[in-house]
Amino acid sequence: DAGVIQSPRHEVTEMGQEVTLRCKPISGHNSLFWYRQTMMRGLELLIYFNNNVPIDDSGMPEDRFSAKMPNASFSTLKIQPSEPRDSAVYFCASSLVHGVDTEAFFGQGTRLTVV
Amino acid sequence: GDSVTQMEGPVTLSEEAFLTINCTYTATGYPSLFWYVQYPGEGLQLLLKATKADDKGSNKGFEATYRKETTSFHLEKGSVQVSDSAVYFCALASSASKIIFGSGTRLSIRP
Repeated sequence: DAGVIQSPRHEVTEMGQEVTLRCKPISGHNSLFWYRQTMMRGLELLIYFNNNVPIDDSGMPEDRFSAKMPNASFSTLKIQPSEPRDSAVYFCASSLVHGVDTEAFFGQGTRLTVV
Repeated sequence: GDSVTQMEGPVTLSEEAFLTINCTYTATGYPSLFWYVQYPGEGLQLLLKATKADDKGSNKGFEATYRKETTSFHLEKGSVQVSDSAVYFCALASSASKIIFGSGTRLSIRP
């Protein structure tokens, strides 16, 4: 398997524009996570899905952020409108959950810069 | 709610020194515990894990023991190398299958 695939790897956009980050989880995995990493706040869990259903979105910072998982092989994280403080590396991870025996596999991340 | 606390970095050591990075957790139930490593420009990779009390996870010379009585999962290595320079994250997987990470500890090893 190719692992978790994220696109784009880098995104530079102007403030106010819509940004869509994409993730393809590992085939057969049933959980998907979106994280944001910054120097100031470290690695923050934004939202996670189990069997394509959002389970916990309490980490989503504002209504400007939304995430979808229309099927088991694809998820998006959208920011609309984007702001400079959204600049960060966004990671997608997937896992196959067996009770608490679970391991998250991470993508390479998308480095977002909002100017 | 569930949380993970790990020692703040950066940690700077000389090659062949002994390494300890402390990690404690708060969780309901019996979580699984993990250490992940992040090399520059890359995503996180699983380093080791333990799924129940007193289990010891080990990989690449790193070890950590799941201590329920002290709610800890400290990472240790007897002799570090320059190639171990990275950011290390402690994490737990809760009964809700949610994976929560600590803030990360940056480790730098001097030749």
